[in-house]
Amino acid sequence: GAVVSQHPSWVICKSGTSVKIECRSLDFQATTMFWYRQFPKQSLMLMATSNEGSKATYEQGVEKDKFLINHASLTLSTLTVTSAHPEDSSFYICSARGRDLDTQYFGPGTRLTVL
Amino acid sequence: GENVEQHPSTLSVQEGDSAVIKCTYSDSASNYFPWYKQELGKGPQLIIDIRSNVGEKKDQRIAVTLNKTAKHFSLHITETQPEDSAVYFCAAGDTGNQFYFGTGTSLTVIP
Repeated sequence: GAVVSQHPSWVICKSGTSVKIECRSLDFQATTMFWYRQFPKQSLMLMATSNEGSKATYEQGVEKDKFLINHASLTLSTLTVTSAHPEDSSFYICSARGRDLDTQYFGPGTRLTVL
Repeated sequence: GENVEQHPSTLSVQEGDSAVIKCTYSDSASNYFPWYKQELGKGPQLIIDIRSNVGEKKDQRIAVTLNKTAKHFSLHITETQPEDSAVYFCAAGDTGNQFYFGTGTSLTVIP
């Protein structure tokens, strides 16, 4: 149980375009979802926390107008990278926590490459 | 806020030997300490966790110990196998809020 999926697993886009990444909890209701960014050989950097039905809380230094997060349902959260630039290239990972679950379960990640 | 430190950053062991990874945390309010294993190109997977009211927890070859007084916790892997090779992250936090992650340990098990 406690499976989280992400789509797409990898995406290549041109500079200036927008990319949407989906995060789904497959077998539980995710009351909270987290979005992380990870650079090669580095730790997880929390970008934002979102609770179902409310606005996301962004970490300091993360541009909320560039990284749009929507948590519209208890099983789906989306991260949209707007006007992507090469420096946005990274590994983006979501995690989810359910009402009766103490821990976070991670998705498989999405590799974004901006040309 | 919470600050989690993790050591060592890299660890190589011979197959069959034990591996130990140590983490310290700063916030005494943290009450939950999960460990995640991340293989290359994949998301982290929870392998074991411990709550602040427990001093030790074991699951087959994996064990975690917690010293609340000293604010440190450790991951122990016994009888290591090549498939244990991965990056391991410790974390500390409150189950109701965000987790704070360590910087990761790259474990290599040499056959």
